[in-house]
Amino acid sequence: NAGVTQTPKFQVLKTGQSMTLQCAQDMNHNSMYWYRQDPGMGLRLIYYSASEGTTDKGEVPNGYNVSRLNKREFSLRLESAAPSQTSVYFCASSEGVMVDNEQFFGPGTRLTVL
Amino acid sequence: RKEVEQDPGPFNVPEGATVAFNCTYSNSASQSFFWYRQDCRKEPKLLMSVYSSGNEDGRFTAQLNRASQYISLLIRDSKLSDSATYLCVVNGPYSGAGSYQLTFGKGTKLSVIP
Repeated sequence: NAGVTQTPKFQVLKTGQSMTLQCAQDMNHNSMYWYRQDPGMGLRLIYYSASEGTTDKGEVPNGYNVSRLNKREFSLRLESAAPSQTSVYFCASSEGVMVDNEQFFGPGTRLTVL
Repeated sequence: RKEVEQDPGPFNVPEGATVAFNCTYSNSASQSFFWYRQDCRKEPKLLMSVYSSGNEDGRFTAQLNRASQYISLLIRDSKLSDSATYLCVVNGPYSGAGSYQLTFGKGTKLSVIP
């Protein structure tokens, strides 16, 4: 099992460009999440999908959109990238959103917006 | 508002030392508590859950004090391989629809020195 996979691993964008970060999990998990991690800020939740067909905003959703394509895949789209979106993006999944479910993380995407 | 606070460190300790990390949280309604470990430029991984009665996993001991709203992690007989950033994680805030988000602390960096 690959666990949680993310593509791409690295990306450089110019301000105003758009891109989609892809995430897939092979653990048959119901819930999936997108976080960003900035130096000195910790992990912050952007969007999550409690189950296939649902998505909800997290702490920092502005500038992002998500799609839960199917149970396995959850993508994050930046429509018009800004330098403030330079960050490391992590996708995660869990069996469900119950309070004690472990979240499994992908290896991350390092995004730089110039 | 700082919901989960940790001493950022770094903690530089010699091999074999005992080191303790503390974490405080602000949401008194939180029900679940975790320590995650994050190696440099890697994704976070669950180290252990924290239970009210305290729990131990080998050289690692986690304690929870609900009255004071703090969590601790004790590492005994430190190994070089323990060098990492340790993230304190608490469930909350409640986001509706029966789901809970996880709130991550900024992490405490540990370096174990030969």
